[in-house]
Parts: sequence; structure tokens; C-alpha cells
Amino acid sequence: GQNIDQPTEMTATEGAIVQINCTYQTSGFNGLFWYQQHAGEAPTFLSYNVLDGLEEKGRFSSFLSRSKGYSYLLLKELQMKDSASYLCAVRPSYGGSQGNLIFGKGTKLSVKP
Amino acid sequence: EPEVTQTPSHQVTQMGQEVILRCVPISNHLYFYWYRQILGQKVEFLVSFYNNEISEKSEIFDDQFSVERPDGSNFTLKIRSTKLEDSAMYFCASSVGGAFNQPQHFGDGTRLSIL
Repeated sequence: GQNIDQPTEMTATEGAIVQINCTYQTSGFNGLFWYQQHAGEAPTFLSYNVLDGLEEKGRFSSFLSRSKGYSYLLLKELQMKDSASYLCAVRPSYGGSQGNLIFGKGTKLSVKP
Repeated sequence: EPEVTQTPSHQVTQMGQEVILRCVPISNHLYFYWYRQILGQKVEFLVSFYNNEISEKSEIFDDQFSVERPDGSNFTLKIRSTKLEDSAMYFCASSVGGAFNQPQHFGDGTRLSIL
């Protein structure tokens, strides 16, 4: 089966650092994506990892360990506008796949002053 | 920045009626997708489309669902006979290629409410 787990909710303070974890068990693996989704809006692409290690993009970084089936999204210098849901999604690898994504339930992050 | 556009933003339909959700993918993108998100739940894959045919579909995408690219710009999702459990936000997405690192860009969604 396919399973992606993330914490349901997290709270952090403006200016702080927060780490959102994601673990996955999928039939295959062709990369892991992180998306940001503000309430009532579309998911917006943040990052992609396919090799082990850390990918940094401004205030956001994403880490992957394929052997552990684990990723995290690190948000630095938190701003109020970072309050949103963060979705972990895996692109599995099996016959005929053209890139569909399997999503976790998302982590709702609340940033407080 | 180019974006995926979806219409309508909100559709209210009686159970049993047909509904068509419309999407205009980003112009140079070749791969198209439909996802749905039931309120409070995770985003779920429905179907992927490339080269004018379905590439893959999930168990959710049964005979009541169909997709079409009627012209060079639109990509539609039709639900033939809607059920109460079809109420959800439906997202269209597109990607420039099928390579594994190509992100999918999502539209703002159509909220479908079945009465």
C-alpha cells in the first residue's frame, strides 16, 4: 500500500525555525515534493528531492533520506504569511505511471506573533 | 507568471446531474492531471493525461468520470451522474514534461457541491 504520514498541526513563533517531518511507505519512489497550501487555495510547489541530502532554497530547505523513508521541510525566519498547510507528496514508480503524486494529509502550521 | 486557470470557482449541482469542470493548463505544458480534495482530507489523484489520452487513473476515476481535451487549450473533467460523495474541491494541474523532477502546477480549484 501507499502511506504518507505527517503531523496534523504545528505551532511556531514569528522569526523562529520550524521542521515539518514526513515519513512514507510507497510501492516505489521517484522523488518527494513539498507544497504549500493556504486555506481555500491551490497547492503551490516549494521543493523537490530525489537524492539523499539537503536542498536549500531561500528560507526553505528540504531533506531526504531514502533508506529511512523520511523527509523534512525546514522553514527559517518564520513570517506570519507562512501560516498554511504543508503537503508532502511522493511520486511513486510503477508501470504506466506518468507522474501522479500521492499526498499526505498535510501539516497545518500556525505562526504566532 | 503563467498559471493554471479553472472555471467555475464554485459549482452547485443536484445529485444525478452531469457536471463539467474546466481547466486551461499552462500553455507549454504537456502533462495534465485532475486531483480532488474532500473537505478536511488529503489531496487525491484522479487521472493523468498526455498526448490526448489517459496515462493513468486511480480507483476513484470510475465510469462516471471522463476527461477531454476538446481543443488546444482546454482540459475538462466530466462527472456523468453526480453523487453526494463527489462533493469536493477539484484541482487541475499541469507540468511541462513527464520527467520525475518536473513539478506539477495547480489551479485554484473548483469547489463542487452536490445537493
